[in-house]
Amino acid sequence: NAGVMQNPRHLVRRRGQEARLRCSPMKGHSHVYWYRQLPEEGLKFMVYLQKENIIDESGMPKERFSAEFPKEGPSILRIQQVVRGDSAAYFCASSPYEDGYTFGSGTRLTVV
Amino acid sequence: GEDVEQSLFLSVREGDSSVINCTYTDSSSTYLYWYKQEPGAGLQLLTYIFSNMDMKQDQRLTVLLNKKDKHLSLRIADTQTGDSAIYFCAESSSGSARQLTFGSGTQLTVLP
Repeated sequence: NAGVMQNPRHLVRRRGQEARLRCSPMKGHSHVYWYRQLPEEGLKFMVYLQKENIIDESGMPKERFSAEFPKEGPSILRIQQVVRGDSAAYFCASSPYEDGYTFGSGTRLTVV
Repeated sequence: GEDVEQSLFLSVREGDSSVINCTYTDSSSTYLYWYKQEPGAGLQLLTYIFSNMDMKQDQRLTVLLNKKDKHLSLRIADTQTGDSAIYFCAESSSGSARQLTFGSGTQLTVLP
């Protein structure tokens, strides 16, 4: 079991570009969570998804950010028109139920 | 909203015990967790405790929970250099679809 796979590990984008972050949950896990870690801070919840459904997006910024978890393929976190303040580590976690998170190694986004 | 607080830094000598403390505000917390993050890596779940427990021991790790004071601690016995990392306290509450609230992390440095 390969664990939660996130790619890319590092992503550099210029201001105004789009960032697409991918997360493949562990085999058999149907719950996916996205968290953001700003420098020297803890992780902040963004969104919780099940296959084809957004369950809780209370932590997502209202604009430019979107997430999906399609029936087939990885979960995608999309950030449109990135700004410097979007620079952070973005972590995905998965679980078989609403419990027992396993985190991926994260995608470090740098906006230049 | 919910808040989780930790001291930022802790230094101990190899072989000594480390105690990392955490306070939280959400009285409806059901599970409390300790995660370890090594540089450039994701979060590794170390241990967790259910809110109706006072203590949990797992090899070198002891978790103490004082629910009245909303205080959680992690004791690492016989601390080794490989224990140097950032340790995050996190809590989840019953009404949040398993959204975790993290503290800012405690940087543990183990000195030889």
